[in-house]
Amino acid sequence: SQELEQSPQSLIVQEGKNLTINCTSSKTLYGLYWYKQKYGEGLIFLMMLQKGGEEKSHEKITAKLDEKKQQSSLHITASQPSHAGIYLCGADLRLQGAQKLVFGQGTRLTINP
Amino acid sequence: DTEVTQTPKHLVMGMTNKKSLKCEQHMGHRAMYWYKQKAKKPPELMFVYSYEKLSINESVPSRFSPECPNSSLLNLHLHALQPEDSALYLCASSQTVTSTDTQYFGPGTRLTVL
Repeated sequence: SQELEQSPQSLIVQEGKNLTINCTSSKTLYGLYWYKQKYGEGLIFLMMLQKGGEEKSHEKITAKLDEKKQQSSLHITASQPSHAGIYLCGADLRLQGAQKLVFGQGTRLTINP
Repeated sequence: DTEVTQTPKHLVMGMTNKKSLKCEQHMGHRAMYWYKQKAKKPPELMFVYSYEKLSINESVPSRFSPECPNSSLLNLHLHALQPEDSALYLCASSQTVTSTDTQYFGPGTRLTVL
């Protein structure tokens, strides 16, 4: 089974609408990363959350890590065409040792004009 | 500056060829990573280097041979690859291998094995 579950797998929204992407882990998250990827390109770092209850914002994107540190959400306000792409959550689910990021399956976001 | 560069951008090779992928960063990071990403799948970790030493090998076939000649460079040598090895190969770097150090990714090399 997948260690990180993302939902939804794909999302089509009209420009200007708000949307939320979720990332759920069966284990405690010690660091949760959100990345964005355009098709066939590298991953662009968006935000990193570490503490339970933490919330970070950058421009119109807000990410939260719940108190139990097993779920994160990414919220986009007033979506724009530039927000289109694949959103990936990533986490190191181990407490010690070299960093081994595992990723969710990704959420493919399409913005319709 | 959080730039990781990768060359070449695209590579087509036959199963008997030997080629290399190159990754470079000048952020002073001491951890570097290779990932493989198949179409419509998330990246999967292949190798981790920490202070120029191989730290993690995720049971990758020996036809993939990583090399870290210095703290800024990471190579991936390819030999006798199979068509199923066709994928996007991503390099990343972070300050150290600590879980809370952000990994920054390069643009990737699109590899096609004929």
